[in-house]
Amino acid sequence: AQTVTQSQPEMSVQEAETVTLSCTYDTSESDYYLFWYKQPPSRQMILVIRQEAYKQQNATENRFSVNFQKAAKSFSLKISDSQLGDAAMYFCACLTGANSKLTFGKGITLSVRP
Amino acid sequence: DTGVSQNPRHKITKRGQNVTFRCDPISEHNRLYWYRQTLGQGPEFLTYFQNEAQLEKSRLLSDRFSAERPKGSFSTLEIQRTEQGDSAMYLCASSLWAGEQYFGPGTRLTVT
Repeated sequence: AQTVTQSQPEMSVQEAETVTLSCTYDTSESDYYLFWYKQPPSRQMILVIRQEAYKQQNATENRFSVNFQKAAKSFSLKISDSQLGDAAMYFCACLTGANSKLTFGKGITLSVRP
Repeated sequence: DTGVSQNPRHKITKRGQNVTFRCDPISEHNRLYWYRQTLGQGPEFLTYFQNEAQLEKSRLLSDRFSAERPKGSFSTLEIQRTEQGDSAMYLCASSLWAGEQYFGPGTRLTVT
């Protein structure tokens, strides 16, 4: 079984600034994927970024990038040039096994100050 | 394709009643997942289908819950004899094999 831990329940960032959301995970699988999902209030969950465990290079998607530390089982999300539309709940998730079920953390609520 | 759709979006029911939710996945996706999300928590896996076969069920899925995916297309999740503890957002996701999962908007269930 795998676990995903997001220990910060809330964070706040000034518009145009950079913020980092933390996540740690634990799995006994050697082949797994890590994701960050965004869930705006009353809206559906959308994928922000994914990282394959076998890749050493950190994934980047426009203003979003990750810091994947495999040995430490850490997977943080950095949001650069924060925008008001980035305000949402962010979930870290781990996908393992043939069934490909996602295990999510508890999420972190990000607010963006204008 | 318009993505994963779920109906209804909201359901209010009285304790003891049966409810059924529907999920229509992205058309070419062969895998379909159901998750449950309670307020302030991350989604928790309930069950998943590969085509029409239900391949895994979580311990969270009590005997009152049943899911089907006839012909490997849409899926239904039925809850019998609802309890207040069943109140949650029920999310459906689909993927092509073990690829990225795309989520629907969810069905919010309130049991009074």
